[in-house]
Amino acid sequence: NAGVTQTPKFQVLKTGQSMTLQCAQDMNHNSMYWYRQDPGMGLRLIYYSASEGTTDKGEVPNGYNVSRLNKREFSLRLESAAPSQTSVYFCASTTRGAGMTDTQYFGPGTRLTVL
Amino acid sequence: GDSVTQMEGPVTLSEEAFLTINCTYTATGYPSLFWYVQYPGEGLQLLLKATKADDKGSNKGFEATYRKETTSFHLEKGSVQVSDSAVYFCALRGSSASKIIFGSGTRLSIRP
Repeated sequence: NAGVTQTPKFQVLKTGQSMTLQCAQDMNHNSMYWYRQDPGMGLRLIYYSASEGTTDKGEVPNGYNVSRLNKREFSLRLESAAPSQTSVYFCASTTRGAGMTDTQYFGPGTRLTVL
Repeated sequence: GDSVTQMEGPVTLSEEAFLTINCTYTATGYPSLFWYVQYPGEGLQLLLKATKADDKGSNKGFEATYRKETTSFHLEKGSVQVSDSAVYFCALRGSSASKIIFGSGTRLSIRP
């Protein structure tokens, strides 16, 4: 049981390049989330997927797209990377989207630098 | 909208000192409240939670009590250890929301 896994761990891009961050969970969770973490700003929600086949915008969706490929996998795509997207990206999952007490389980993060 | 405010860090203490990290929230209804911890180079992990007023969450010597009258969920530990050095996030899930709102985090450093 690996929990939530993310690839890659580190990535350096040039402005304008594209890339996809991968996330997978093996806990049979329905809901998955993408956050970015910037110094002094805590975690900000980019997109989430309450269940397989659905996705919704979070607080900071501009410049990103997501795909809920199946119940296990939720990917985040940067079509044209910008320096403002330099951040640490975390994927998370929970059992049920509307559960009041559900714990979010986090992946180890992807550190992205855009030059 | 819902929000969480926690004390700014960094907080530096000596080993065995008493710890308090303040957290207050704004939310309609009856949110669930959480403390998450992030150790260096890792993702966040749940430390403790409380789902209704006057509930006390506890784990690894840490405690926090859900105070609806003061809209607070302060984190406390009686005697901190070097291994407690991490970033601590207060968070809430609103009564009708499927998302968790995080505070900005408080970095804690413990000196031997």
